[in-house]
Amino acid sequence: GNSVTQMEGPVTLSEEAFLTINCTYTATGYPSLFWYVQYPGEGLQLLLKATKADDKGSNKGFEATYRKETTSFHLEKGSVQVSDSAVYFCAQNGGATNKLIFGTGTLLAVQP
Amino acid sequence: DAGVIQSPRHEVTEMGQEVTLRCKPISGHDYLFWYRQTMMRGLELLIYFNNNVPIDDSGMPEDRFSAKMPNASFSTLKIQPSEPRDSAVYFCASSFHSTSTDTQYFGPGTRLTVL
Repeated sequence: GNSVTQMEGPVTLSEEAFLTINCTYTATGYPSLFWYVQYPGEGLQLLLKATKADDKGSNKGFEATYRKETTSFHLEKGSVQVSDSAVYFCAQNGGATNKLIFGTGTLLAVQP
Repeated sequence: DAGVIQSPRHEVTEMGQEVTLRCKPISGHDYLFWYRQTMMRGLELLIYFNNNVPIDDSGMPEDRFSAKMPNASFSTLKIQPSEPRDSAVYFCASSFHSTSTDTQYFGPGTRLTVL
Protein backbone atom coordinates (compact mmCIF):
# COMPACT_ATOMS: atom_id res chain seq x y z
CA GLY A 1 0.00 0.00 0.00
CA ASN A 2 0.91 3.66 -0.01
CA SER A 3 3.07 4.88 2.84
CA VAL A 4 5.55 7.53 3.92
CA THR A 5 8.65 6.94 6.03
CA GLN A 6 10.64 9.78 7.50
CA MET A 7 13.60 9.92 9.81
CA GLU A 8 12.91 9.85 13.49
CA GLY A 9 13.76 12.80 15.62
CA PRO A 10 14.45 14.78 17.46
CA VAL A 11 16.98 16.54 15.29
CA THR A 12 18.95 19.08 17.29
CA LEU A 13 21.05 21.65 15.43
CA SER A 14 22.84 24.87 16.15
CA GLU A 15 21.71 28.04 14.42
CA GLU A 16 23.05 28.37 10.84
CA ALA A 17 23.68 24.63 10.53
CA PHE A 18 22.62 22.65 7.45
CA LEU A 19 19.43 20.65 7.74
CA THR A 20 18.38 17.42 6.06
CA ILE A 21 15.28 15.47 6.99
CA ASN A 22 14.92 12.27 5.01
CA CYS A 23 11.62 11.12 3.55
CA THR A 24 10.85 8.12 1.34
CA TYR A 25 7.55 6.89 0.03
CA THR A 26 5.87 3.85 -1.49
CA ALA A 27 3.04 4.37 -3.92
CA THR A 28 1.14 2.42 -6.53
CA GLY A 29 0.61 5.49 -8.68
CA TYR A 30 2.34 8.81 -9.19
CA PRO A 31 1.74 10.81 -6.06
CA SER A 32 2.18 14.45 -5.31
CA LEU A 33 4.53 15.00 -2.38
CA PHE A 34 4.29 17.55 0.40
CA TRP A 35 6.12 18.87 3.42
CA TYR A 36 3.99 20.33 6.19
CA VAL A 37 5.26 22.13 9.29
CA GLN A 38 3.60 22.25 12.69
CA TYR A 39 4.67 24.95 15.14
CA PRO A 40 3.95 24.40 18.84
CA GLY A 41 0.25 24.62 19.65
CA GLU A 42 -0.78 25.14 16.03
CA GLY A 43 -2.18 23.17 13.14
CA LEU A 44 -0.17 22.02 10.16
CA GLN A 45 0.84 24.45 7.42
CA LEU A 46 1.96 23.56 3.94
CA LEU A 47 5.67 24.30 3.59
CA LEU A 48 6.25 23.13 0.02
CA LYS A 49 5.10 20.58 -2.52
CA ALA A 50 6.08 18.87 -5.76
CA THR A 51 3.72 17.25 -8.20
CA LYS A 52 5.93 15.24 -10.55
CA ALA A 53 9.34 13.65 -10.84
CA ASP A 54 12.32 16.04 -10.73
CA ASP A 55 10.17 18.93 -9.53
CA LYS A 56 11.72 21.00 -6.76
CA GLY A 57 9.50 22.60 -4.17
CA SER A 58 10.86 25.55 -2.23
CA ASN A 59 9.71 28.02 0.38
CA LYS A 60 11.31 30.09 3.18
CA GLY A 61 14.76 28.70 2.34
CA PHE A 62 13.60 25.09 2.47
CA GLU A 63 13.86 22.85 -0.58
CA ALA A 64 12.91 19.31 -1.54
CA THR A 65 13.28 17.51 -4.87
CA TYR A 66 10.93 14.76 -6.06
CA ARG A 67 13.23 11.81 -6.83
CA LYS A 68 11.27 9.04 -8.52
CA GLU A 69 14.29 6.76 -8.93
CA THR A 70 14.92 6.70 -5.18
CA THR A 71 11.29 7.35 -4.15
CA SER A 72 12.49 10.17 -1.94
CA PHE A 73 11.60 13.76 -1.08
CA HIS A 74 14.25 14.89 1.40
CA LEU A 75 13.84 18.29 3.03
CA GLU A 76 16.88 20.59 3.15
CA LYS A 77 17.78 24.04 4.35
CA GLY A 78 21.20 25.61 4.14
CA SER A 79 21.10 27.64 7.34
CA VAL A 80 18.49 26.99 10.01
CA GLN A 81 17.20 29.55 12.47
CA VAL A 82 15.77 29.18 15.96
CA SER A 83 12.39 30.09 14.49
CA ASP A 84 12.50 26.93 12.35
CA SER A 85 12.05 24.79 15.45
CA ALA A 86 8.91 22.76 14.78
CA VAL A 87 7.67 19.33 13.74
CA TYR A 88 8.00 18.57 10.02
CA PHE A 89 5.72 16.09 8.26
CA CYS A 90 6.28 14.49 4.89
CA ALA A 91 3.11 13.45 3.06
CA GLN A 92 1.83 12.01 -0.20
CA ASN A 93 -1.60 11.74 -1.74
CA GLY A 94 -1.42 8.25 -3.19
CA GLY A 95 -1.46 9.50 -6.75
CA ALA A 96 -5.10 10.16 -7.42
CA THR A 97 -6.76 11.96 -4.56
CA ASN A 98 -6.17 14.70 -2.05
CA LYS A 99 -6.43 12.14 0.74
CA LEU A 100 -3.07 12.73 2.39
CA ILE A 101 -0.88 10.02 3.93
CA PHE A 102 1.52 11.45 6.50
CA GLY A 103 4.83 10.32 7.90
CA THR A 104 5.30 10.20 11.65
CA GLY A 105 6.82 13.66 11.85
CA THR A 106 10.33 14.83 12.77
CA LEU A 107 10.90 17.26 15.60
CA LEU A 108 13.55 19.87 14.80
CA ALA A 109 15.08 21.84 17.66
CA VAL A 110 17.43 24.68 16.72
CA GLN A 111 19.60 26.09 19.47
CA PRO A 112 21.03 29.64 19.42
CA ASP B 1 -10.05 35.02 5.63
CA ALA B 2 -9.93 33.75 9.20
CA GLY B 3 -8.77 30.31 8.19
CA VAL B 4 -10.23 27.06 9.44
CA ILE B 5 -11.89 27.56 12.80
CA GLN B 6 -12.24 24.79 15.37
CA SER B 7 -13.95 24.75 18.72
CA PRO B 8 -13.39 24.11 21.47
CA ARG B 9 -9.59 24.35 21.56
CA HIS B 10 -9.44 22.15 24.64
CA GLU B 11 -11.95 19.66 25.97
CA VAL B 12 -11.69 17.59 29.13
CA THR B 13 -14.40 15.07 29.78
CA GLU B 14 -15.05 11.88 31.65
CA MET B 15 -15.29 8.44 30.17
CA GLY B 16 -18.76 7.70 28.87
CA GLN B 17 -19.67 11.28 28.10
CA GLU B 18 -20.60 12.56 24.66
CA VAL B 19 -18.11 14.89 23.00
CA THR B 20 -18.81 17.15 20.02
CA LEU B 21 -16.05 18.87 18.11
CA ARG B 22 -16.84 21.65 15.67
CA CYS B 23 -15.26 22.97 12.51
CA LYS B 24 -15.86 25.89 10.17
CA PRO B 25 -13.94 25.50 6.90
CA ILE B 26 -12.57 28.30 4.80
CA SER B 27 -15.33 29.91 2.80
CA GLY B 28 -15.52 28.51 -0.73
CA HIS B 29 -13.66 25.31 0.05
CA ASP B 30 -15.59 22.24 -0.96
CA TYR B 31 -13.51 19.55 0.74
CA LEU B 32 -13.39 19.04 4.50
CA PHE B 33 -11.19 16.56 6.37
CA TRP B 34 -11.08 15.34 9.97
CA TYR B 35 -7.77 14.03 11.34
CA ARG B 36 -6.64 12.62 14.65
CA GLN B 37 -3.10 13.04 15.99
CA THR B 38 -1.60 10.87 18.73
CA MET B 39 1.94 10.06 19.75
CA MET B 40 1.41 6.38 19.07
CA ARG B 41 -0.31 6.55 15.69
CA GLY B 42 0.71 9.93 14.32
CA LEU B 43 -1.73 11.72 12.01
CA GLU B 44 -4.67 9.66 10.81
CA LEU B 45 -7.39 10.69 8.39
CA LEU B 46 -10.76 9.84 9.92
CA ILE B 47 -13.23 11.02 7.28
CA TYR B 48 -13.59 13.54 4.51
CA PHE B 49 -16.47 15.31 2.80
CA ASN B 50 -16.98 16.79 -0.63
CA ASN B 51 -19.79 19.30 -1.03
CA ASN B 52 -21.13 18.25 2.39
CA VAL B 53 -21.31 14.57 1.41
CA PRO B 54 -19.11 12.00 3.21
CA ILE B 55 -16.78 10.42 0.65
CA ASP B 56 -14.50 8.18 2.67
CA ASP B 57 -15.05 7.25 6.29
CA SER B 58 -12.75 4.24 6.33
CA GLY B 59 -10.57 5.87 8.96
CA MET B 60 -13.33 6.25 11.53
CA PRO B 61 -12.21 3.95 14.32
CA GLU B 62 -15.58 2.54 15.32
CA ASP B 63 -19.28 3.22 15.63
CA ARG B 64 -18.75 5.49 18.59
CA PHE B 65 -17.47 8.08 16.12
CA SER B 66 -19.75 9.96 13.77
CA ALA B 67 -19.32 13.05 11.61
CA LYS B 68 -21.78 15.32 9.88
CA MET B 69 -21.67 18.29 7.57
CA PRO B 70 -25.13 19.86 7.48
CA ASN B 71 -23.99 22.78 5.32
CA ALA B 72 -20.92 24.15 3.56
CA SER B 73 -19.77 26.16 6.55
CA PHE B 74 -20.06 23.72 9.43
CA SER B 75 -19.08 20.20 10.40
CA THR B 76 -19.13 18.20 13.61
CA LEU B 77 -17.28 15.16 14.86
CA LYS B 78 -19.05 13.37 17.66
CA ILE B 79 -17.80 10.68 20.01
CA GLN B 80 -20.40 8.82 22.05
CA PRO B 81 -19.55 7.35 24.45
CA SER B 82 -16.01 8.67 24.85
CA GLU B 83 -13.15 6.50 26.15
CA PRO B 84 -9.69 7.39 27.50
CA ARG B 85 -8.07 6.01 24.33
CA ASP B 86 -9.86 8.72 22.35
CA SER B 87 -7.59 11.31 23.96
CA ALA B 88 -5.81 13.06 21.09
CA VAL B 89 -5.63 16.27 19.10
CA TYR B 90 -8.32 16.41 16.44
CA PHE B 91 -7.71 18.56 13.39
CA CYS B 92 -10.08 19.78 10.75
CA ALA B 93 -8.76 20.81 7.34
CA SER B 94 -10.33 22.15 4.17
CA SER B 95 -9.31 22.49 0.55
CA PHE B 96 -10.63 23.86 -2.71
CA HIS B 97 -11.38 21.53 -5.61
CA SER B 98 -10.40 17.93 -6.02
CA THR B 99 -7.12 17.98 -7.88
CA SER B 100 -4.39 15.97 -6.28
CA THR B 101 -2.12 18.95 -5.76
CA ASP B 102 -4.46 21.19 -3.82
CA THR B 103 -3.30 22.40 -0.45
CA GLN B 104 -5.14 21.39 2.67
CA TYR B 105 -5.50 24.18 5.22
CA PHE B 106 -5.55 23.01 8.81
CA GLY B 107 -7.30 24.44 11.81
CA PRO B 108 -5.52 24.86 15.16
CA GLY B 109 -6.94 21.60 16.50
CA THR B 110 -8.98 20.50 19.50
CA ARG B 111 -7.06 18.80 22.28
CA LEU B 112 -9.36 16.18 23.79
CA THR B 113 -8.65 14.55 27.13
CA VAL B 114 -10.93 11.76 28.30
CA LEU B 115 -10.45 10.86 31.96
